[in-house]
Amino acid sequence: DAKTTQPTSMDCAEGRAANLPCNHSTISGNEYVYWYRQIHSQGPQYIIHGLKNNETNEMASLIITEDRKSSTLILPHATLRDTAVYYCIVIAGTYKYIFGTGTRLKVLA
Amino acid sequence: DVKVTQSSRYLVKRTGEKVFLECVQDMDHENMFWYRQDPGLGLRLIYFSYDVKMKEKGDIPEGYSVSREKKERFSLILESASTNQTSMYLCASSLRVGADSNQPQHFGDGTRLSIL
Repeated sequence: DAKTTQPTSMDCAEGRAANLPCNHSTISGNEYVYWYRQIHSQGPQYIIHGLKNNETNEMASLIITEDRKSSTLILPHATLRDTAVYYCIVIAGTYKYIFGTGTRLKVLA
Repeated sequence: DVKVTQSSRYLVKRTGEKVFLECVQDMDHENMFWYRQDPGLGLRLIYFSYDVKMKEKGDIPEGYSVSREKKERFSLILESASTNQTSMYLCASSLRVGADSNQPQHFGDGTRLSIL
């Protein structure tokens, strides 16, 4: 599975859009990009995933570049409850998730 | 919404005890997983199961066993607990992956296990 690189931490003002980048330059054609988040003392929460097209659901939007070497998770109106560690992973039908260190997002009041 | 329920949020056991961690999912998922999460080491797969009575070893199966007698329930067993098994244990489930699709794993809230 391809390796991902994310910034260690980011701050975002409450009510603003939070844009979390992820690099996955070695992604293969059949690998999906997944985003999860983990709020302290809870299990990882699934947010969104995509293959090549941009995706949107009630939680977030996922923008994948045309060459698929990077993606951005967008939380359109961040709230204090969005403070968490966000993980980007790429995976192709294998059973094993490998979470890296993720991005620690802090939403500021 | 998918619900994955782990029987305990916090558990304290003694060295040498046999420990059972239970996980139940309510979405008729074929796949179930057990991970442990440790600071600096991320998430590591212990075992997974793709069907009733089926199991596959993950990366760190030593000292653990699993049981899947019913589709909705996946149990992790620490045969003889040791202090290095103190960790956060996470259960997850997913639909079976198809040829043209990918299915997310959904996680429970974890069991923080301390072995004294």
